[in-house]
Amino acid sequence: EAQVTQNPRYLITVTGKKLTVTCSQNMNHEYMSWYRQDPGLGLRQIYYSMNVEVTDKGDVPEGYKVSRKEKRNFPLILESPSPNQTSLYFCASRKGPDSTDTQYFGPGTRLTVL
Amino acid sequence: AQSVAQPEDQVNVAEGNPLTVKCTYSVSGNPYLFWYVQYPNRGLQFLLKYITGDNLVKGSYGFEAEFNKSQTSFHLKKPSALVSDSALYFCAGGGDNYGQNFVFGPGTRLSVLP
Repeated sequence: EAQVTQNPRYLITVTGKKLTVTCSQNMNHEYMSWYRQDPGLGLRQIYYSMNVEVTDKGDVPEGYKVSRKEKRNFPLILESPSPNQTSLYFCASRKGPDSTDTQYFGPGTRLTVL
Repeated sequence: AQSVAQPEDQVNVAEGNPLTVKCTYSVSGNPYLFWYVQYPNRGLQFLLKYITGDNLVKGSYGFEAEFNKSQTSFHLKKPSALVSDSALYFCAGGGDNYGQNFVFGPGTRLSVLP
C-alpha cells in the first residue's frame, strides 16, 4: 500500500530535550515536506526537500532541522524544543518538484512540549 | 505574498441538503488549487484539484469544485451531504509564477446534522 508513515504519533516531552520525528514514504517520491498545523492557521510549511541531500526552508523553519540522506526518509529534528512548538505535525510527499502534483500526507504527530 | 482564504470557520448543513465550503485565493500567475479533507486523528486526504481546463472539477466521494477566475474563488460543493462528510476541509494552492510556494487556508469545519 502506498503510504507516508510517521513516528511517533503522539509525543509529550519537556523543554530542551532533543527529539526526532521520523517520516518515511514508499512511493519513490522525490519531494518531501514537513508542515505544522495550528488552529485557525491551517498548515504552514517548515522545511521541504526536492531530493536526496537537497533541503530548503519553508515559512516557519526556526527551531527545526531536517535531513535527507535517503530518498524514502525525511526526519524532523527539534534540537531544543520549546512550548511554542507544541503542535500537530504532518509529513507529506509528492512525485517531483512540480507544485501541481498531489501531495500525500502522513497520519500526523501530535507533539506537546511542557 | 500568496494566500488562500476560507471565510467560514464552521459550516452546518442538514443531511441530504447541498453543501458549499468556500475558498478564495490570491496568487501570482495562473492558479493551481486543491481541496483536502481531514477526518479526526487522520492525515489530510486529497479530494480534487484544478490546474487548467474545465472550471468544474469532480473529485472523490461525490465532491466537486468550481473554479471562478473573475471572483478568484474555488468553492467546494456536494449535491447531497452525508453525516460521514463531517470533517475539517482545507483549500490550498499557489500560482505558477511563485516557484515552490504552496499555501493552505485555515480550514473550515463541516458538520452534517442527521
